[in-house]
Amino acid sequence: AQTVTQSQPEMSVQEAETVTLSCTYDTSESDYYLFWYKQPPSRQMILVIRQEAYKQQNATENRFSVNFQKAAKSFSLKISDSQLGDAAMYFCAYRSRRGTGNQFYFGTGTSLTVIP
Amino acid sequence: ETGVTQTPRHLVMGMTNKKSLKCEQHLGHNAMYWYKQSAKKPLELMFVYNFKEQTENNSVPSRFSPECPNSSHLFLHLHTLQPEDSALYLCASSQESRRLNEKLFFGSGTQLSVL
Repeated sequence: AQTVTQSQPEMSVQEAETVTLSCTYDTSESDYYLFWYKQPPSRQMILVIRQEAYKQQNATENRFSVNFQKAAKSFSLKISDSQLGDAAMYFCAYRSRRGTGNQFYFGTGTSLTVIP
Repeated sequence: ETGVTQTPRHLVMGMTNKKSLKCEQHLGHNAMYWYKQSAKKPLELMFVYNFKEQTENNSVPSRFSPECPNSSHLFLHLHTLQPEDSALYLCASSQESRRLNEKLFFGSGTQLSVL
């Protein structure tokens, strides 16, 4: 079974500083996608960034980047120049071609506080 | 981005009540999903509809009954729920459900409390 672990239930960062959220996953598949979703207080989850396992280059979206270590099964999210609007729950998710491919496996989330 | 609307935003119901959650998407997507979000637990996939056909039922108890009359609308009918069913129920949509890199678009959820 695929599992996703987020070991940091809560994190905090000073505004304008950098923070890294960790995520590890367990799988026997070689081809899969990894995602980070953000859930602000409005409760509407939005995609932050995604990475295909076959791509060695780490994905980047503006101030958000990932550190994808396939052998270590690690997929951390780095937020640079943190802003107050970055405060939210962040969920790491995994999806593979196994079975119907419909299943996203989510972690338990990390609550990020941004300190002004 | 928005485009996925869920109603009601909050719902309190007794264990003997029957209620329905509604989800509507205006994105032209063909796949719709129901997820259950409980505190300190991973999101649980409940149901998937692809082109109005149910393609996934993740061992959900029969007291939850989904309905997808068309690609834009998804309902979750609730009856004789238990207190442990209290959770945030999230609807999502995507272009179609079988592409791995599909981005999910979520609604704001219905916070359900079962008394």
